[in-house]
Amino acid sequence: GAVVSQHPSWVICKSGTSVKIECRSLDFQATTMFWYRQFPKQSLMLMATSNEGSKATYEQGVEKDKFLINHASLTLSTLTVTSAHPEDSSFYICSARGLESTDTQYFGPGTRLTVL
Amino acid sequence: AQSVTQPDIHITVSEGASLELRCNYSYGATPYLFWYVQSPGQGLQLLLKYFSGDTLVQGIKGFEAEFKRSQSSFNLRKPSVHWSDAAEYFCATVDGGATNKLIFGTGTLLAVQP
Repeated sequence: GAVVSQHPSWVICKSGTSVKIECRSLDFQATTMFWYRQFPKQSLMLMATSNEGSKATYEQGVEKDKFLINHASLTLSTLTVTSAHPEDSSFYICSARGLESTDTQYFGPGTRLTVL
Repeated sequence: AQSVTQPDIHITVSEGASLELRCNYSYGATPYLFWYVQSPGQGLQLLLKYFSGDTLVQGIKGFEAEFKRSQSSFNLRKPSVHWSDAAEYFCATVDGGATNKLIFGTGTLLAVQP
């Protein structure tokens, strides 16, 4: 149980385009989803927290207009990187927390974004 | 504010040897503590967690961790390491704020030599 998927697993795009990453909880309802960014050989940096049906809460320094987060249902959250640039290239990981286990996050496999 | 520290950036052990990865926490009350493992290019997998009760916690893949309040530690152990255990290991705690977000340590990269 507690499986989280991400799609796509990797994406390459041109500078200036927008990229959407999906995060799904497959076997539980996720009241809260988190989006992280991870640079090579570093720990995870929390970007934002989203609760189903409400606006995401962004961490300090994260541009909300650049990283659009939507959590439209209890099983799906999306992260859209708008007008992507090479410095946005990174590994993006989502996690989900369910109704029954409000202190445990389950992580997706991550999405490798490369902006050319 | 809550925090966790992983003093060892990189550790190498021989296959079959025992393993202990260190994690120290900073928090006044009893913290919620987690160990996650990340294989290269993958997401994080939960190994085990501690909220309260028995201070020796059993996890998946033969891992265990012991909560020691006197030492502010939550070290991860495995009696016999397998080559497939080579990965990055993260200790984490929960921020007690409204979002209960995870606070990660910097990670320990485990290499296993034959």
